Amino acid sequence: GAGVSQSPSNKVTEKGKDVELRCDPISGHTALYWYRQRLGQGLEFLIYFQGNSAPDKSGLPSDRFSAERTGESVSTLTIQRTQQEDSAVYLCASSQVVGREAFFGQGTRLTVV
Amino acid sequence: DAKTTQPTSMDCAEGRAANLPCNHSTISGNEYVYWYRQIHSQGPQYIIHGLKNNETNEMASLIITEDRKSSTLILPHATLRDTAVYYCIVRSTGANSKLTFGKGITLSVRP
Repeated sequence: GAGVSQSPSNKVTEKGKDVELRCDPISGHTALYWYRQRLGQGLEFLIYFQGNSAPDKSGLPSDRFSAERTGESVSTLTIQRTQQEDSAVYLCASSQVVGREAFFGQGTRLTVV
Repeated sequence: DAKTTQPTSMDCAEGRAANLPCNHSTISGNEYVYWYRQIHSQGPQYIIHGLKNNETNEMASLIITEDRKSSTLILPHATLRDTAVYYCIVRSTGANSKLTFGKGITLSVRP
């Protein structure tokens, strides 16, 4: 596609529910990154993929967070048993290879009520 | 990856050049300087990157000092739409190379 696409753009969920956030990277981009940005804060790195494997998961805040990528394309970030502190914009980026410039999607705004 | 230091904020007049400084005194030889910006409520946007030579593209110019310990992003003719947070990031191109965002500098372009 022309750019990184994320869905949904907005998600409101009840505390304790599970959510799945989707990222469609730019076609042919092998590297994919997930970030989180809380209101008024900077970007926090969560995880990155090289192909379908995740060499760096160091930013995942707890075992409630997981991510997978299939077919070197779509990635899904799953948050289980959501908490209010999970409310944030979740941003996905992709790059042609790891270390090259990354292009971001517009994010998914998650609100946990 | 090396740490960067940027002023918290700056402003400039519309139509004038905006010069955004960044210090990266601990940069190592295989690390690039990247600049991104984030306009309110949008995802970050890649602007430019460089290793040691000055770089220019349709958005901006990047001037890197000879010792590579600092750099300046130049927006030659700032417009109101350039109001954003600008992030200077030092990053290697190694296998484990994520972008680590700091607080950035808030540029306000005034009419």
